[in-house]
Amino acid sequence: DSGVTQTPKHLITATGQRVTLRCSPRSGDLSVYWYQQSLDQGLQFLIQYYNGEERAKGNILERFSAQQFPDLHSELNLSSLELGDSALYFCASSSPIAKNIQYFGAGTRLSVL
Amino acid sequence: DQQVKQNSPSLSVQEGRISILNCDYTNSMFDYFLWYKKYPAEGPTFLISISSIKDKNEDGRFTVFLNKSAKHLSLHIVPSQPGDSAVYFCAASAENYGQNFVFGPGTRLSVLP
Repeated sequence: DSGVTQTPKHLITATGQRVTLRCSPRSGDLSVYWYQQSLDQGLQFLIQYYNGEERAKGNILERFSAQQFPDLHSELNLSSLELGDSALYFCASSSPIAKNIQYFGAGTRLSVL
Repeated sequence: DQQVKQNSPSLSVQEGRISILNCDYTNSMFDYFLWYKKYPAEGPTFLISISSIKDKNEDGRFTVFLNKSAKHLSLHIVPSQPGDSAVYFCAASAENYGQNFVFGPGTRLSVLP
């Protein structure tokens, strides 16, 4: 158990809909990262938050947004969903001390039908 | 443009033998490299890392070698065990890019009893 909690584990929705994925980082970790893994692909970095502030952006679509709350949990919002958004979405966290190592949650599997 | 490549999608090895997983990168700014292991239905788990100031790092059965001139790293597992069967991801990061990882597409290792 990495200590990073992601909910829900599975999500099935229809095209055009909006969903919210939730992530609770490890205790003491200030950074949260979101990644997308499409079928048989590597993990694509989406966005990073550090202590509530956006720190870095990767290949995140404009239809996607995220935030980190004062209690450090994070939410990834996906809107106007398309079939191609079906993927595994991982959240990771890291501590200010060992910032080069990210600890991953089990992921949320999103299926857009 | 894939900055981190793992050219072998899969690898099969007999139990007790050595497993060698390879990774190549193109961005000379990368200065920290990690290997993650992923079992089905779980998030990636940190395995071992290496800084660009070193050429070798060892942790039990796992050793990572870095050849900066060739922009190549490899993970050696000796001896291989059936429990090592998983997908292995190589990841790279650069100080100037923050702690954002660029992941390779992964290599599926099967250790046969």
